[in-house]
Amino acid sequence: DTEVTQTPKHLVMGMTNKKSLKCEQHMGHRAMYWYKQKAKKPPELMFVYSYEKLSINESVPSRFSPECPNSSLLNLHLHALQPEDSALYLCASSQPQAGIPNEKLFFGSGTQLSVL
Amino acid sequence: AQSVAQPEDQVNVAEGNPLTVKCTYSVSGNPYLFWYVQYPNRGLQFLLKYITGDNLVKGSYGFEAEFNKSQTSFHLKKPSALVSDSALYFCAVRDPKATGRRALSFGSGTRLQVQP
Repeated sequence: DTEVTQTPKHLVMGMTNKKSLKCEQHMGHRAMYWYKQKAKKPPELMFVYSYEKLSINESVPSRFSPECPNSSLLNLHLHALQPEDSALYLCASSQPQAGIPNEKLFFGSGTQLSVL
Repeated sequence: AQSVAQPEDQVNVAEGNPLTVKCTYSVSGNPYLFWYVQYPNRGLQFLLKYITGDNLVKGSYGFEAEFNKSQTSFHLKKPSALVSDSALYFCAVRDPKATGRRALSFGSGTRLQVQP
C-alpha cells in the first residue's frame, strides 16, 4: 500500500464551524506533513510531525491545530477559519533516514476546503 | 536560505517533441534537488531526485533531469512528450547544511501543455 488517504475530499464550512481533516498512511512512514496550496501556487508547508512529535510549525495561526494520534494518522483541526483559508490542504508522508535525506514525499489527493 | 525558481509559468510543446522545464536554485552548499508532478485534482507525485553522483538523473515516466552546478540549474527533460504529460511540474530544493528545517522549498510551478 503506497497511498496516503485524505478525507473528506471536499469540505465547505462557515467561519464559526469546527471541522477536522484526516490523513492516513500504512507505509510505515514516521514523518507526516500538512501543506496548504492555493490555486496555481506551490504547496506551502504548515506542519511536520516526526515520530509523532511536532517538529516544524511554520508560524501557522492557532485556528489550525494539528494532531498526530499515532504513526499512521494525522489530523488537522479547524476552528474559526477565515475565507482566505480556502485552499487545497495536502497531507504527505516520508520515511526519515538518519543522515540520509529522504524528501521523497508521498502526497494524498488533498481536501479542497471552502470557507464561507 | 534555500530557494528555487521556475522562470516559465507555462511550457507548450507538440506531442513527440522533446520537452524541457527549467529550474534554478539557490543554496549555501550542495543542494538536494527534486521534481514533482501534479495532475488536476491530485496531490503531488515524486518524479526524481538528485543528491550526489551522476549529474544526469533518470526518473519516472521517462523523465530525466540534469544537475548543472556552475549554472545552478536542474532542468527537467523528456526526449518525446506525450499528451498525458500535461500537468503542473514543481521543482524543489533542500539545503542539507540548513540547521533546524528539514523540509523542501518548492518553486512556483510550471504548467506543461502537450498538444496532440
